[in-house]
Amino acid sequence: AQSVTQLDSQVPVFEEAPVELRCNYSSSVSVYLFWYVQYPNQGLQLLLKYLSGSTLVESINGFEAEFNKSQTSFHLRKPSVHISDTAEYFCAVSVPLRSNYKLTFGKGTLLTVNP
Amino acid sequence: DTGVSQDPRHKITKRGQNVTFRCDPISEHNRLYWYRQTLGQGPEFLTYFQNEAQLEKSRLLSDRFSAERPKGSFSTLEIQRTEQGDSAMYLCASSGQTSGLYNEQFFGPGTRLTVL
Repeated sequence: AQSVTQLDSQVPVFEEAPVELRCNYSSSVSVYLFWYVQYPNQGLQLLLKYLSGSTLVESINGFEAEFNKSQTSFHLRKPSVHISDTAEYFCAVSVPLRSNYKLTFGKGTLLTVNP
Repeated sequence: DTGVSQDPRHKITKRGQNVTFRCDPISEHNRLYWYRQTLGQGPEFLTYFQNEAQLEKSRLLSDRFSAERPKGSFSTLEIQRTEQGDSAMYLCASSGQTSGLYNEQFFGPGTRLTVL
């Protein structure tokens, strides 16, 4: 079975500061990795994903995550955050070649960006 | 494309009552998932449909829970004899079937259930 650990339940930062949200996973097989974002009163949205290839993946709004196989990590980073980035962020894994592609999520990290 | 919709958005019920939630996936999507999210936790997988066939059920889905997807379109999740522990956000997601590596799951806004 797979599991995901998000080490920080809450991360408060000031606007324009850099941020890193940590994610570690456990799996005996290769996995796909995801970051989802949930804004208040909205559904989960896919932020970025790692399936294969380059270990550094980027989103359209300035977030990036790097897959590190040796450390089984997929940390999310942004060099300069905005107030609008305030949301809950979930790291998730899925096992490729399993037909259901169900997602296993971490507990989430609440990112609060203060002015 | 209006996305995945769920109805109702909120449901308050008394312990012991039955409740039913509906999920309308994106129209061309053949895969549909139900997840449950309790306070302070990430979403947890409950069940998965491919077209009208329910192909996997989590051990979280007790006998009081039943899900259907008639005709492979919308889906319903029914909880019988609700308990306070059933209080959670119930999320629905759908995805299409392509030849790519992965088919993104699109999530609905969820139904928040409160059992008194």
